[in-house]
Amino acid sequence: DTAVSQTPKYLVTQMGNDKSIKCEQNLGHDTMYWYKQDSKKFLKIMFSYNNKELIINETVPNRFSPKSPDKAHLNLHINSLELGDSAVYFCASSQTPGQGLEQYFGPGTRLTVT
Amino acid sequence: SQQGEEDPQALSIQEGENATMNCSYKTSINNLQWYRQNSGRGLVHLILIRSNEREKHSGRLRVTLDTSKKSSSLLITASRAADTASYFCATDPLRGGTSYGKLTFGQGTILTVHP
Repeated sequence: DTAVSQTPKYLVTQMGNDKSIKCEQNLGHDTMYWYKQDSKKFLKIMFSYNNKELIINETVPNRFSPKSPDKAHLNLHINSLELGDSAVYFCASSQTPGQGLEQYFGPGTRLTVT
Repeated sequence: SQQGEEDPQALSIQEGENATMNCSYKTSINNLQWYRQNSGRGLVHLILIRSNEREKHSGRLRVTLDTSKKSSSLLITASRAADTASYFCATDPLRGGTSYGKLTFGQGTILTVHP
């Protein structure tokens, strides 16, 4: 009965590879987010989708492409991985943020690029 | 740019003591939220305080917000070893009177509660 789940939990890959992280929420929320947490624990928003529509797209390299097949899923595809992409990536969801609501986070995916 | 900044960066206390963490931010906000992150886990929402509120309570948590000083504090009373975690404030900025859920997080306060 996990609310926000991510797969995989750990991802170790070499520079130049392409990888995807999947996220699913069963809370009935219509907005989903991707965050990146660096080694200093600094958490920064990358993307947000509301009802499959991109509403937040921060300054993120084009190598990162989110895809939302439906409002319960938001996947993150990363092309040509670089060392600096190593981080923990968190997916989150919320109801429509217009009223300012809390976000529910997944357990994170620790990406290590070697 | 980083919106919220927590102070202190690390706090070590004994069980039963109170823990106070502070957060400062730079722009107008819709609301401010506090989250907890246990080691190796995702963030868990603790409490949300809106810009027109000054104080809010939830169990052993008390949050204050001073929009004139652009600061907030989180007080955890009667701390327990299980409260050991990183605590983050996150601001939901105001844009045209609407929230887009674009939370901006500080770097967090690492709280250690010794049994």
